[in-house]
Amino acid sequence: AQSVTQPDIHITVSEGASLELRCNYSYGATPYLFWYVQSPGQGLQLLLKYFSGDTLVQGIKGFEAEFKRSQSSFNLRKPSVHWSDAAEYFCAVGVAAGNKLTFGGGTRVLVKP
Amino acid sequence: GAVVSQHPSRVICKSGTSVKIECRSLDFQATTMFWYRQFPKQSLMLMATSNEGSKATYEQGVEKDKFLINHASLTLSTLTVTSAHPEDSSFYICSAPDKGATNIQYFGAGTRLSVL
Repeated sequence: AQSVTQPDIHITVSEGASLELRCNYSYGATPYLFWYVQSPGQGLQLLLKYFSGDTLVQGIKGFEAEFKRSQSSFNLRKPSVHWSDAAEYFCAVGVAAGNKLTFGGGTRVLVKP
Repeated sequence: GAVVSQHPSRVICKSGTSVKIECRSLDFQATTMFWYRQFPKQSLMLMATSNEGSKATYEQGVEKDKFLINHASLTLSTLTVTSAHPEDSSFYICSAPDKGATNIQYFGAGTRLSVL
């Protein structure tokens, strides 16, 4: 069975600083990887996905993520965070496109003025 | 992008009553939908996979008689929490993959259930 680990429960970053959220997965084959963002009391919004091809993927809101098979990682980055980026971020893995997802524990991002 | 509508957004009920939550795909057909549960400050845990025209598939440890799932059409799945108790209080979220196009899962806005 697949699993996802997000090592950082909380991250505090200053507005304008860079952000990197870590995600490690466990799955025997090529995974389908996703990053979602959740604002308090809301559903999930897809930031970006990786199915195949270029290992550096661009998403919405200025986010990007890099798939590294050798490290079983799919870390999310943003060069300069905005106060509106404060939210909960979830990494998820699926065994096929459109299939059920296994989520990591989430990382809560706080943005300091 | 595709839209998944979930209703109601919040419900408060008395212990012992049943609550129905609806999940609709508004601009695509969804033969499969997924129901997740999220406790405060925790991640999403898959409860069940809803299949149009057939029985739902439940994850281990989820009581199928307590969490009734009906997927009667290609755009609607419902989750009924029967005889709800305070421990059922949680945030329930549905999702549906747009298999006809992007194969991306789209999520509803969630339902906050509070059982008194």
